[in-house]
Amino acid sequence: KAGVTQTPRYLIKTRGQQVTLSCSPISGHRSVSWYQQTPGQGLQFLFEYFSETQRNKGNFPGRFSGRQFSNSRSEMNVSTLELGDSALYLCASSSTGGTENTGELFFGEGSRLTVL
Amino acid sequence: AQSVTQLDSQVPVFEEAPVELRCNYSSSVSVYLFWYVQYPNQGLQLLLKYLSGSTLVKGINGFEAEFNKSQTSFHLRKPSVHISDTAEYFCAVSRVSGGYNKLIFGAGTRLAVHP
Repeated sequence: KAGVTQTPRYLIKTRGQQVTLSCSPISGHRSVSWYQQTPGQGLQFLFEYFSETQRNKGNFPGRFSGRQFSNSRSEMNVSTLELGDSALYLCASSSTGGTENTGELFFGEGSRLTVL
Repeated sequence: AQSVTQLDSQVPVFEEAPVELRCNYSSSVSVYLFWYVQYPNQGLQLLLKYLSGSTLVKGINGFEAEFNKSQTSFHLRKPSVHISDTAEYFCAVSRVSGGYNKLIFGAGTRLAVHP
């Protein structure tokens, strides 16, 4: 069974640009979450989707957005990039959802974004 | 709101020695508890979880953790570490009700195993 796949693995952007990151969850998983990991702030929750609906959102500005497609694949977008957006962006999927949210997540290897 | 405190940012240890990584949490509601491990240039992997039941939880790679509700702790232990256990370890919590698979992570503990 394939794991969580994130693309691209590495990318470099300049300030003011926008970026779209993609995540393919484990087959059958309907919940997809996104996290930002930085040396200073650690792991921070961005948002979670279940069956194409955003159920929860972290404390990030509106420049960070996401969506989920009917096949459970998810994308996140960051517009007007800032230097502080440089981070490892991790996607995670879960087989639980609805009333069974246990937080047991399966993570991808991440997309490392560098903003110059 | 929930918060997680990992009391040690770095733990150096010699190979085959025991190790304990400490985690305390704060929450006004019931939570699930997790330990995840991150190897260099990789994502996170679940080591073990406490959802309910026995407070001593066994995970992969010989790790175990004990949930202590009165002390709001969930310390991770391994009786004998290997060089391959060198990694960063994260303690995390998720609300039992309305958690929506949202994890609150601690800052991480970097375990360095020396020969």
